[in-house]
Amino acid sequence: EPEVTQTPSHQVTQMGQEVILRCVPISNHLYFYWYRQILGQKVEFLVSFYNNEISEKSEIFDDQFSVERPDGSNFTLKIRSTKLEDSAMYFCASSGRTSGNLGQFFGPGTRLTVL
Amino acid sequence: AQSVTQLDSQVPVFEEAPVELRCNYSSSVSVYLFWYVQYPNQGLQLLLKYLSGSTLVESINGFEAEFNKSQTSFHLRKPSVHISDTAEYFCAVLTQGGSEKLVFGKGTKLTVNP
Repeated sequence: EPEVTQTPSHQVTQMGQEVILRCVPISNHLYFYWYRQILGQKVEFLVSFYNNEISEKSEIFDDQFSVERPDGSNFTLKIRSTKLEDSAMYFCASSGRTSGNLGQFFGPGTRLTVL
Repeated sequence: AQSVTQLDSQVPVFEEAPVELRCNYSSSVSVYLFWYVQYPNQGLQLLLKYLSGSTLVESINGFEAEFNKSQTSFHLRKPSVHISDTAEYFCAVLTQGGSEKLVFGKGTKLTVNP
């Protein structure tokens, strides 16, 4: 069964460093998303991406964040200068059509720890 | 804006007992509703969804949820749980015909004891 994959599973970085979190969505999906979950809190939407551009972003997704689909398979989230409060589990998701049709399929997550 | 409330953060039950995990939502427009499950050290898996039609939806592993528009609820139930159902369960909503943003509840940790 096809699935969303994410690498790395755990990333530790120093405050102020840049990190890139990588995702491989399900191959025929067209819509891509990033969510995050700070320990003990809700899963929060960050950004959605369709047709090679951001379709929606939350207030959390400020200028420190960017997303890219550099090739036909990968979808990345970059944090330019990490802060302590960026420590969280980051989930990538994809859907084949609008989510109201099929739902969003999530990867296993990347745990980001900022020291 | 939409919001989701999961009233119970933890639900301990014994094996073969019935369970209900509660979910209430708030929205000024029509929504789609989802339950996701997260097993230990794994990602979020779609358990079931309500899009339209019959208000009772079922998953392949015996869970069911009923959409109640008047009570703005989408409670998850299983008549007899197994040890393997131990996981965290998240309720989520999506606005119909608009945003692609899933709004999640805080999750309910279901622990099934022998």
